[in-house]
Amino acid sequence: DGGITQSPKYLFRKEGQNVTLSCEQNLNHDAMYWYRQDPGQGLRLIYYSQIVNDFQKGDIAEGYSVSREKKESFPLTVTSAQKNPTAFYLCASSQGYLNTEAFFGQGTRLTVV
Amino acid sequence: GDSVTQMEGPVTLSEEAFLTINCTYTATGYPSLFWYVQYPGEGLQLLLKATKADDKGSNKGFEATYRKETTSFHLEKGSVQVSDSAVYFCALTGTASKLTFGTGTRLQVTL
Repeated sequence: DGGITQSPKYLFRKEGQNVTLSCEQNLNHDAMYWYRQDPGQGLRLIYYSQIVNDFQKGDIAEGYSVSREKKESFPLTVTSAQKNPTAFYLCASSQGYLNTEAFFGQGTRLTVV
Repeated sequence: GDSVTQMEGPVTLSEEAFLTINCTYTATGYPSLFWYVQYPGEGLQLLLKATKADDKGSNKGFEATYRKETTSFHLEKGSVQVSDSAVYFCALTGTASKLTFGTGTRLQVTL
């Protein structure tokens, strides 16, 4: 089945550690996105990539990094510079054209302990 | 830049009541408009979309009409069910081809 897979579903991080969230898609989509979701704040765009080996900062990129070495993979690293990383993280992909829908993964809930 | 404004929730309705969730947008050019739904603990799923002015998107009894003159895309359903309880997000894709979301509206339907 085609889809987008995020792992792990739950992740615990100690303060000062970097962690990497995985996002893989087999939909052959060009564009991929990372969003952060906090209660009452909706979805905020962290990074997005419209093509392999290229990505752009979203609205809240500070403290995060990404790579896009393969079309199907767009991992997100939450660095120790991110002051409040506890949140629900959603990865999405789309064909990249203006009127096509985005497909979302099931999300990763990151908690700092 | 692009932005989406949704009515704040939570919205609490009795089963079979009429639903309206307001959504207005700001964007350059001719954006495509979407409604997504999120059930607890899950990612988002596309509910419906409209790609040009006066288009009506519809799915599972939900409808929304792309109104360019009022820059709106309000979500409606004539008779809600308990199973419709979820968070609803209005979104658009603008000239940068990136999705911009509203803050979401939580709907709670009771018996």
